[in-house]
Amino acid sequence: DAEITQSPRHKITETGRQVTLACHQTWNHNNMFWYRQDLGHGLRLIHYSYGVQDTNKGEVSDGYSVSRSNTEDLPLTLESAASSQTSVYFCASSREEDTEAFFGQGTRLTVV
Amino acid sequence: GESVGLHLPTLSVQEGDNSIINCAYSNSASDYFIWYKQESGKGPQFIIDIRSNMDKRQGQRVTVLLNKTVKHLSLQIAATQPGDSAVYFCAEWKSQGNLIFGKGTKLSVKP
Repeated sequence: DAEITQSPRHKITETGRQVTLACHQTWNHNNMFWYRQDLGHGLRLIHYSYGVQDTNKGEVSDGYSVSRSNTEDLPLTLESAASSQTSVYFCASSREEDTEAFFGQGTRLTVV
Repeated sequence: GESVGLHLPTLSVQEGDNSIINCAYSNSASDYFIWYKQESGKGPQFIIDIRSNMDKRQGQRVTVLLNKTVKHLSLQIAATQPGDSAVYFCAEWKSQGNLIFGKGTKLSVKP
C-alpha cells in the first residue's frame, strides 16, 4: 500500500546543531507539506512544495529549510536548532490542490 | 488576517449522543474544506471534506455543513462512541494553494 513515512520518530538534539527530518511518500503526490504542532497553536505550516525543485515558505518558516530533489522526498532541515523548535513535526502530501492531504505519524523533536 | 478557527476548544458528550464541532473561517476565496481527526500520538486522519459549491455532505455517522454566508463549518457526529474521542481539526485550502489548520477541538466521550 502507498504510504507516507517520517523518520526518525523521536529525536533529541543540542542547541545549535543542524538536524534533518525525513519524509518519504509513495503515492507519487505532487504536493508535500511540513507542519509543526504545539499546544495552543494547532498545526502550523512551515514549508510546502508543489513539485520537484519547488519550495515555498509557510507561516513559520524562519530557521527551517526544505529541498525537493525528487517527487517522493521532502526533508526538513533545522539549520541551527533552538529550544523554541522543540515540537512535534508532521509531514503530509496531496495529489494536487484542493484534494485530501495524507499525514505521516510525526517526529517528536526535543532541543536541549 | 485570514484564519481558520474553532469556537470551542473542548467538548464533552455522553456516549450515544450527537456531537457538533464548529469552525469559523475568514477567507471567502477558499473553496475546499476538510475535517481531520487526530488521536493521541498519531498524525491527523481525514474524516470528510466539502467543496464550496455544496452546503452539506454526509459520510458514515458524520455530516459536514458549510454556511458560506456566515463563513461557518460544522462537523456532526451521530451516536458518538468512545472511539470518537480525539482532537478534531478543520482545515482550509487557501487561495495561495496551501492547507491551513484551525487550532482544534478536543472531543471527550463519557461512557
